[in-house]
Amino acid sequence: DSGVTQTPKHLITATGQRVTLRCSPRSGDLSVYWYQQSLDQGLQFLIQYYNGEERAKGNILERFSAQQFPDLHSELNLSSLELGDSALYFCASSGPKRQGPYGYTFGSGTRLTVV
Amino acid sequence: GDSVTQMEGPVTLSEEAFLTINCTYTATGYPSLFWYVQYPGEGLQLLLKATKADDKGSNKGFEATYRKETTSFHLEKGSVQVSDSAVYFCALSLNAGGTSYGKLTFGQGTILTVHP
Repeated sequence: DSGVTQTPKHLITATGQRVTLRCSPRSGDLSVYWYQQSLDQGLQFLIQYYNGEERAKGNILERFSAQQFPDLHSELNLSSLELGDSALYFCASSGPKRQGPYGYTFGSGTRLTVV
Repeated sequence: GDSVTQMEGPVTLSEEAFLTINCTYTATGYPSLFWYVQYPGEGLQLLLKATKADDKGSNKGFEATYRKETTSFHLEKGSVQVSDSAVYFCALSLNAGGTSYGKLTFGQGTILTVHP
């Protein structure tokens, strides 16, 4: 167990639908990152939150949104789903700089299948 | 922009063979460098890291040295095992301003298969 919890592990939904992926970071970590892993695009950074605030944005579609709550868990919302959104979605967390550059911890991912 | 380039795979080796997976990077700043491993059906696990030039990261027999002059971070292992079969990702992170670390930028991944 890495300490980063993602739910659900698997999700199958139809095109046009909306889903929410959840991530609980490792205890004490303030940053949450979302990544998408697909066969054609590889691992792509989507968005980062730090202590509740959006810190950086990557290749995130307008149909996707995220937030980080006061208890530091984060949710990634995917709407108007298309077949091409089928992918593995990873969440990672890291601590603040004052704790040292010990790296990032990844969750086990949510596999989204859009049919 | 920042990028990571890994040697093209897949790589197939016999058990006890020597492994090298090349990784080079382009970054506007002074990055930290990482190797992650992904076993079939699992998430990403940190294998090793290095945060400054000439640092050597090591773990489970794997090693990589941060070479600023050649902008490289090649992964090596002297004797691979069947259990090392996985996908290996090289990644970099630039220390973002303020209190948090920046995002990870990944290479495309290298599939390693080790046969008995």
